[in-house]
Amino acid sequence: QVQLQESGPGLVKPSQTLSLTCTVSGDSVTSATHYWSWIRQPAGKGLEWIGRLHVYTSERTEYNPSLKSRVSISADTSNNKFSLTVTSVTAADTAVYYCARVRVSGTEDYMDVWGKGTTVTVSS
Amino acid sequence: SFELTQPPSVSVSPGQTASIACSGDKLGSKYISWYRQKPGQSPVLVIYEDNTRPSGIPERFSGSNSGNTATLTISGTQTLDEADYFCQAWDRTTAVFGGGTKLTVL
Repeated sequence: QVQLQESGPGLVKPSQTLSLTCTVSGDSVTSATHYWSWIRQPAGKGLEWIGRLHVYTSERTEYNPSLKSRVSISADTSNNKFSLTVTSVTAADTAVYYCARVRVSGTEDYMDVWGKGTTVTVSS
Repeated sequence: SFELTQPPSVSVSPGQTASIACSGDKLGSKYISWYRQKPGQSPVLVIYEDNTRPSGIPERFSGSNSGNTATLTISGTQTLDEADYFCQAWDRTTAVFGGGTKLTVL
């Protein structure tokens, strides 16, 4: 059974850097058939895709154009984890952050396993 | 930029059929996924590739996609189906979510 678990600080000060980690169990982050993704959701609002990482293809990354200048996703293959970094955070970055596994499909990819989410608040 | 539009809310009586629409430019040329999110929980995939159910998702969930509109259909809706539902498609290498539809079963 594949499980994903987010971890990281729940409170970040404005202008600082937010760093979160997703620990994967039951699968390998080096899988050829999966990307690893981050999604966020402000309280009471919809889902916003942040980006994804394909470790197998030389850690190929793809990001939401609206966030691309401030975000980075990377992997720690030794510990089967992947991470998200968001720089220069503001209150608008306050949200529940989810990590998810993205199944590479012959037609179109889909997010088939999600973590439980971790709440991040940006405040001084 | 590519956008997906969903109605904010849909209501249905128990046992009836619920239909949740998702619209976008030439959406029928893309594949749609649908996610269910209950309060305080993370999203769960209920439909992918327009009309394929993952294992563990009841047969009453189905999907279609044509023209500019994709539809999630829940037949014989149960009270436990009450949740927020999000559609999602890929715009080249970017995942785009609809704003979500709150399904009320009453």
